[in-house]
Amino acid sequence: GESVGLHLPTLSVQEGDNSIINCAYSNSASDYFIWYKQESGKGPQFIIDIRSNMDKRQGQRVTVLLNKTVKHLSLQIAATQPGDSAVYFCAEIRNSGYSTLTFGKGTMLLVSP
Amino acid sequence: DSGVTQTPKHLITATGQRVTLRCSPRSGDLSVYWYQQSLDQGLQFLIQYYNGEERAKGNILERFSAQQFPDLHSELNLSSLELGDSALYFCASGTNPNSPLHFGNGTRLTVT
Repeated sequence: GESVGLHLPTLSVQEGDNSIINCAYSNSASDYFIWYKQESGKGPQFIIDIRSNMDKRQGQRVTVLLNKTVKHLSLQIAATQPGDSAVYFCAEIRNSGYSTLTFGKGTMLLVSP
Repeated sequence: DSGVTQTPKHLITATGQRVTLRCSPRSGDLSVYWYQQSLDQGLQFLIQYYNGEERAKGNILERFSAQQFPDLHSELNLSSLELGDSALYFCASGTNPNSPLHFGNGTRLTVT
């Protein structure tokens, strides 16, 4: 498959474990945050989002936590599966006239059977 | 399937040449965004269109240009290509600024 990055932070977990992927954002004015998953050879795929008036949001097997005080975002994946192996990006909306989505550098998640 | 279609999937061309990448957004989405993904730079925002009008510019080189047509499809034109332009180019579409973007599977451009 195609690599999307050679120097990404990597998180290696065993199948069935819970995974936590962290992200720091820089702009305190950002008010909307999204986690994307990118598998080899594919475009980023939306996982879950959260707005700045919330500090936690849950989806199916995933939870996003937002700590605005320290500008930190995390993605928790419960019961990680081999199919979860991918690069995970956090993205923020920075209002600059017209909103544009700015991506972090990504974390590679490797799940071993 | 995100509903965003990009063509071609792969493109190999020589330095100095010009190429056009095409994107059809999801049905109903008025906004189209172009991103460049290279190994050392991650996903970099290039440009955004909304209903045919340019709305925001990111790190787009002067050699690159884009447009969105009345049927909402968009084209990204890359000219005077250099080796460093080799990358994945993604198109995304969205309903409004504060909703998730949906990405196509990209065009892999290789400049030799």
